[in-house]
Amino acid sequence: DAGVIQSPRHEVTEMGQEVTLRCKPISGHDYLFWYRQTMMRGLELLIYFNNNVPIDDSGMPEDRFSAKMPNASFSTLKIQPSEPRDSAVYFCASSLDLAGAVDTQYFGPGTRLTVL
Amino acid sequence: GENVEQHPSTLSVQEGDSAVIKCTYSDSASNYFPWYKQELGKRPQLIIDIRSNVGEKKDQRIAVTLNKTAKHFSLHITETQPEDSAVYFCAASTNNDMRFGAGTRLTVKP
Repeated sequence: DAGVIQSPRHEVTEMGQEVTLRCKPISGHDYLFWYRQTMMRGLELLIYFNNNVPIDDSGMPEDRFSAKMPNASFSTLKIQPSEPRDSAVYFCASSLDLAGAVDTQYFGPGTRLTVL
Repeated sequence: GENVEQHPSTLSVQEGDSAVIKCTYSDSASNYFPWYKQELGKRPQLIIDIRSNVGEKKDQRIAVTLNKTAKHFSLHITETQPEDSAVYFCAASTNNDMRFGAGTRLTVKP
């Protein structure tokens, strides 16, 4: 398996533009997580899905952020409109469902977002 | 919900010395405790994990201990090497949830 795949790897955009980040989890994994990492705030959980259903989106910073998982092999994180403070590395991770619990998370390579 | 605290935030040791990173968690239902290593510019990667039915686990120079009563767990790295320099994250998992600590930046000086 290729592991968790994220695209794009780098994104530079201007303030006000829409940004869409994509993730393909490891095949067979039931959980999918979106994280944001910055020097100031560390690794923050934004939202996670179990079997394509959003379970906890309390980490989503504001209404400008939205995430979808239309099927088991694809998820998107959208920021509209983007702002300079959204600049960060966004990681997607996936894990198996181990008897109803989250198991080891495997991280994608991340998307480095820069909003000018 | 679960709350994980990690200490110290930075740690500097001489090559060959040991390094210890400690985490506490709040939810007594947590039953899985992984540790991740993140090198500069790379993704977090699992280095060792422990489940709640085990008190200690070792893998070469790395060991993790768990004290469920006190709700804390620790990462121990012995005979540190410069390539151990990275940010280390602990995490605690209950059913349907996993939370990360804030990270520890470990620097191993040659």
